[in-house]
Amino acid sequence: GDSVTQMEGPVTLSEEAFLTINCTYTATGYPSLFWYVQYPGEGLQLLLKATKADDKGSNKGFEATYRKETTSFHLEKGSVQVSDSAVYFCALSGGHTGTASKLTFGTGTRLQVTL
Amino acid sequence: DGGITQSPKYLFRKEGQNVTLSCEQNLNHDAMYWYRQDPGQGLRLIYYSQIVNDFQKGDIAEGYSVSREKKESFPLTVTSAQKNPTAFYLCASSFRDRVNQPQHFGDGTRLSIL
Repeated sequence: GDSVTQMEGPVTLSEEAFLTINCTYTATGYPSLFWYVQYPGEGLQLLLKATKADDKGSNKGFEATYRKETTSFHLEKGSVQVSDSAVYFCALSGGHTGTASKLTFGTGTRLQVTL
Repeated sequence: DGGITQSPKYLFRKEGQNVTLSCEQNLNHDAMYWYRQDPGQGLRLIYYSQIVNDFQKGDIAEGYSVSREKKESFPLTVTSAQKNPTAFYLCASSFRDRVNQPQHFGDGTRLSIL
């Protein structure tokens, strides 16, 4: 079945440092890939997505490129801020038109940014 | 603004008691989902529904029940058969007629045992 593997956290960085959170996946067919962010005590918010190979999703300074050859979707940001402290989830959807877009999630990576 | 509303934010259950978590959406989404989140384990799918009056079990459906009588509503009942119900419960929704649509999430309900 489908699966998503994320690097374990917590990841602790100083403000303005470069961020990479690794995500690799196993799936049949051509899944769509997502990054979600969860702030303390809240639900998940969609951060970015990519629906086909070589697509780059971007939002709020975060980027991730859909790499089919390495089955990866690593999240990057050039300069993190304290407000980026949260848990980040990588997810994939292999759904087809007319069906629910069931998501498979990674276990999440906690990011803590300090001054 | 459109969104997903979960209530209550905090819920306490006594031994042997059933409790119901509410989820309402005004996004006109067809599909709705319930997830359970435990520390360090990510999200696990409990139940999902693609259309009114239809729903399917997810990966951890035992001890839970759902109904989908209206498009906007997808309540989750945690029954007394669920022996370890303490967790953070998240409801989500999405369109089902477009390939690989993202899911939109509510702010969750935290359930604890008294």
